[in-house]
Amino acid sequence: DQQVKQNSPSLSVQEGRISILNCDYTNSMFDYFLWYKKYPAEGPTFLISISSIKDKNEDGRFTVFLNKSAKHLSLHIVPSQPGDSAVYFCAAREEAQKLVFGQGTRLTINP
Amino acid sequence: EAGVVQSPRYKIIEKKQPVAFWCNPISGHNTLYWYLQNLGQGPELLIRYENEEAVDDSQLPKDRFSAERLKGVDSTLKIQPAELGDSAVYLCASSLGDSQGTQYFGPGTRLTVL
Repeated sequence: DQQVKQNSPSLSVQEGRISILNCDYTNSMFDYFLWYKKYPAEGPTFLISISSIKDKNEDGRFTVFLNKSAKHLSLHIVPSQPGDSAVYFCAAREEAQKLVFGQGTRLTINP
Repeated sequence: EAGVVQSPRYKIIEKKQPVAFWCNPISGHNTLYWYLQNLGQGPELLIRYENEEAVDDSQLPKDRFSAERLKGVDSTLKIQPAELGDSAVYLCASSLGDSQGTQYFGPGTRLTVL
């Protein structure tokens, strides 16, 4: 039973345009949501997070939106840059430091 | 500041052989995690330590997997004997254990069992 789902295995976006990565979850007890970015042969790197009591968090080119009623969150990257090409993982905190990860979405930024 | 260190980066072994992975967390991080990542999937938690105590090992296959974190710093994850299905990336992460609980990952060990 997948509690955190990223339904798009891959996404291709033109450089300079907006990238939108989506994530759905089923457990209403999740209290924190995080996005991680992963390059090949490296571990996941923390990107941005949002508390379940907020609906938006922004950090530079990255914005995460949370829609609790729909159990949906999204990561917006604008403008997209070639260095943003990576696999992005959505994660949700279930209890006391336990994270549940989605399957990941491979983002490719085309020049 | 140094990140999470893992070794080896790559390991190839025959099935039924033992294997061990080592992790050194970020200095001052009391919480340490071992994750398993299969190809095309997100990381899945195997075990979580608070200092030297394993507080969540419910997903660790205890018939063949074991872990330890002596002195509450470095940790070792062992598989004995390894099976073909154990081929994956083994990730170590650490965190401060604060309210936000952001976890910082090492580069992982890619295990191939032949």
